[in-house]
Amino acid sequence: NAGVMQNPRHLVRRRGQEARLRCSPMKGHSHVYWYRQLPEEGLKFMVYLQKENIIDESGMPKERFSAEFPKEGPSILRIQQVVRGDSAAYFCASSPPGVANYGYTFGSGTRLTVV
Amino acid sequence: GESVGLHLPTLSVQEGDNSIINCAYSNSASDYFIWYKQESGKGPQFIIDIRSNMDKRQGQRVTVLLNKTVKHLSLQIAATQPGDSAVYFCAENWSTGFQKLVFGTGTRLLVSP
Repeated sequence: NAGVMQNPRHLVRRRGQEARLRCSPMKGHSHVYWYRQLPEEGLKFMVYLQKENIIDESGMPKERFSAEFPKEGPSILRIQQVVRGDSAAYFCASSPPGVANYGYTFGSGTRLTVV
Repeated sequence: GESVGLHLPTLSVQEGDNSIINCAYSNSASDYFIWYKQESGKGPQFIIDIRSNMDKRQGQRVTVLLNKTVKHLSLQIAATQPGDSAVYFCAENWSTGFQKLVFGTGTRLLVSP
């Protein structure tokens, strides 16, 4: 069981470029959550997805950020026209079907640096 | 509400001491709580959880206490070891509306040999 896989581990983007962060949930998990963590801070909820559905995006910035979890393939967090303030660690977590927040497992994160 | 950006409070202990890390949660309707350990450069790692119908739960070297009256959680680590050095977060299952985990600010634990 490979756990929650995130890639890339580190991503450097220039201001104005697009960042794509990928998350493959644990085998058998159908709930995916994205969190953002700034240095010396806690994790802040961004979005909760199930296959092909966004369930709760109350933590997503209104512009430039989007997320998807297609029927096939990993979940993608996309940040368009990145700015320096987007620099952070982005973590994905997954949980089994029917137990939304229980049994959460986190990936190792993607560290985005905007230069 | 959500955690506020602050420099992390730090707890420094000697190896072998018992550590107590505290957390105030925000939503009286939260029904489930988890403690996570996060080492530098890694994702949060589950330590122990507790449901709101309990006030104490024990694991291996760790105990979580829940006081719903004052919305307070604590994590007790017995015989703290250098490998316990990390940042510790509490998280509450925000069961109002769609469920999601809301994280506390975190506490950095430093264990000296």
